[in-house]
Amino acid sequence: AQSVTQLDSQVPVFEEAPVELRCNYSSSVSVYLFWYVQYPNQGLQLLLKYLSGSTLVESINGFEAEFNKSQTSFHLRKPSVHISDTAEYFCAVSAKGAQKLVFGQGTRLTINP
Amino acid sequence: KAGVTQTPRYLIKTRGQQVTLSCSPISGHRSVSWYQQTPGQGLQFLFEYFSETQRNKGNFPGRFSGRQFSNSRSEMNVSTLELGDSALYLCASSLGRPDIGEQYFGPGTRLTVT
Repeated sequence: AQSVTQLDSQVPVFEEAPVELRCNYSSSVSVYLFWYVQYPNQGLQLLLKYLSGSTLVESINGFEAEFNKSQTSFHLRKPSVHISDTAEYFCAVSAKGAQKLVFGQGTRLTINP
Repeated sequence: KAGVTQTPRYLIKTRGQQVTLSCSPISGHRSVSWYQQTPGQGLQFLFEYFSETQRNKGNFPGRFSGRQFSNSRSEMNVSTLELGDSALYLCASSLGRPDIGEQYFGPGTRLTVT
């Protein structure tokens, strides 16, 4: 079975400041890792994914995450945030080959001007 | 390509009633998964269907059931509704291949049980 822990339930930052949202996972088998973003009253949007290969993955809107197998982590970072990044972010894991996603509890990112 | 669509978007039901939610996946996607999102329990996996067969199931009571049609559209049914079933129900679709893990979510159906 897999489990995901998002270490911060809320992260307030100022606009243009850097941010890191932390995610740790537990699994006895190889996994795929994901970050999803949820804006108010909407579904989940895939932000980025790690399936295999390079441990550093990037999204088109400036976010990046690094898979660290030894620390079982997949932290999300952005060097400079914008007001539009205000949302809830979910880290998720699935066993390789399975379609069942296990989610963390989410981190609410609030950007202050 | 059109995204995942879910109908209805909002639903209000009374305790004891039953409800059916519908999901149309992205064209070409054969796997449909359902998730329940609540403030207390977060996002929880209900079940996954692939080629009309339930391939995986979460830890929910038998009141929660689903099915998938030959065109990959899926329905989810909840019988004998309880107040605790109030939630956002999200449908996700994917190709269903073991080497492609990502799923794409619809906007959800907000179910309120009174």
